[in-house]
Amino acid sequence: DIVMTQTPLSSPVTLGQPATISCRSSQSLLHTNGNTYLSWLQQRPGQPPRLLIYKTSNRFSGVPDRFSGSGAGTDFTLTIARVEAEDVGVYFCMQGLQSPWTFGQGTKVEVE
Amino acid sequence: EVQLVESGGGLVQPGGSLKLSCAASGFTFGRDWMGWVRQAPGQGLEWVANIKPDGSGTYYVDSVKGRFIISRDNAKNSLYLQMNSLRAEDTALYYCAKHGDYCFDNWGQGTLVTVSS
Repeated sequence: DIVMTQTPLSSPVTLGQPATISCRSSQSLLHTNGNTYLSWLQQRPGQPPRLLIYKTSNRFSGVPDRFSGSGAGTDFTLTIARVEAEDVGVYFCMQGLQSPWTFGQGTKVEVE
Repeated sequence: EVQLVESGGGLVQPGGSLKLSCAASGFTFGRDWMGWVRQAPGQGLEWVANIKPDGSGTYYVDSVKGRFIISRDNAKNSLYLQMNSLRAEDTALYYCAKHGDYCFDNWGQGTLVTVSS
C-alpha cells in the first residue's frame, strides 16, 4: 500500500498570513498517462470532507484561488496564500494512483 | 447540484449486520464510479470500497474483504453497503462519495455506525 505522510500535523496560523502543508508518498504518484494523482481535501469542524485540489494542482469547482497545490513524484504541497477564518479545519492529502486509495493523517489548521 | 444522502446507520452488536444506503441526485449517477469512505471518531479517513459505473467491478480495503459488499441500483440512483460480521473497529462515520478524476469530488454528510454490545 502507498503510505501518505503529512507534515506538520498541526499548524497554528495568523489570519492573513500564508500557510503550507506538505505531503509525501511512499512511492511516486505519477501515472503512465503523465498525470499525478494527488488530491487535497478540507474538512471543517463538524462537516464532511470537501475536495480542494485534484491531480496535484487543479482547483476544484468553487474553490477560492488562495488555495494552490504543487509538487511532483512523491513530494507535494498545499498552500493557502492568505488564511481566512473559514479555512480552519483539517486538511488531508489522498493518492488515487492505486488501490487501496490512501490518505494522509491530516493536518489541523487553527488560528493563533 | 450534486447531492449524496446516506442512511441506515445505527447501533449494532458485534457480529451483526447493517445495510447503508446513499441516495444520489444532481448528476448522471450511472456514469460515475462511487465509493464509501469511513472516519472513526476523532480519526482520519479510510477508503472502504468502490464500484464501477455499471456495477461490474467492486474493490475493497483488505480489512473489510469478505464481510462488506458494495452495490448499486442505477435505476434508483442509489448506492449501498451491506456490512456483515461487524466488529468494534468498524465503528465510524460512513461517507458516500462520488468519484472524480482519480479522487473523490463530492461527499455526503455521512451516517454513523456504532458496533457495541
